[in-house]
Amino acid sequence: NAGVTQTPKFRVLKTGQSMTLLCAQDMNHEYMYWYRQDPGMGLRLIHYSVGEGTTAKGEVPDGYNVSRLKKQNFLLGLESAAPSQTSVYFCASTRPLAGFYEQYFGPGTRLTVT
Amino acid sequence: AQTVTQSQPEMSVQEAETVTLSCTYDTSENNYYLFWYKQPPSRQMILVIRQEAYKQQNATENRFSVNFQKAAKSFSLKISDSQLGDTAMYFCAFMEYGNKLVFGAGTILRVKS
Repeated sequence: NAGVTQTPKFRVLKTGQSMTLLCAQDMNHEYMYWYRQDPGMGLRLIHYSVGEGTTAKGEVPDGYNVSRLKKQNFLLGLESAAPSQTSVYFCASTRPLAGFYEQYFGPGTRLTVT
Repeated sequence: AQTVTQSQPEMSVQEAETVTLSCTYDTSENNYYLFWYKQPPSRQMILVIRQEAYKQQNATENRFSVNFQKAAKSFSLKISDSQLGDTAMYFCAFMEYGNKLVFGAGTILRVKS
């Protein structure tokens, strides 16, 4: 099993450009999450999904959109990138319906917006 | 909203010694989960240990143990026999309703030889 994978690992964008980050998991997990990590602030939840076709806002959703068309994939989109979105982005997944509560994380994507 | 506070931005410890990282949280819930995650320079988030709030017994995983004080809303991590590979950022996290994690700001731990 690959676990949780993220594509790409690094990306540099110019202000106003758009991009999509892909998260994929092969563990049949129901719940998936997108976090951002900024220096001195730990990880903050952007959006999450409790199942295929459902999404919900987290703590810092502004400027991002998400989609969960397939159970194994969770996409994070930036429609018009801003320098404030420079961060490291982590995807995570879990399977609470099976009694698992720990979240498994992907390796992260470092995004720089200039 | 739940909050998690890690009051020690940085700590250092000599190899083979013991170190304790502090974490406090604020919640009105009675049943919840607490976690410690390790983030080495590779950036990968690694689960170290978890604690269910309904369990009175403190969780232990090899050299890692917690001191869970529910009434005080305190959840500290003790690392015994520290190793160079323990050098990392450590995050305390609270799992709130909806299985969402709320993280503290992290503590950088440096193990010195």
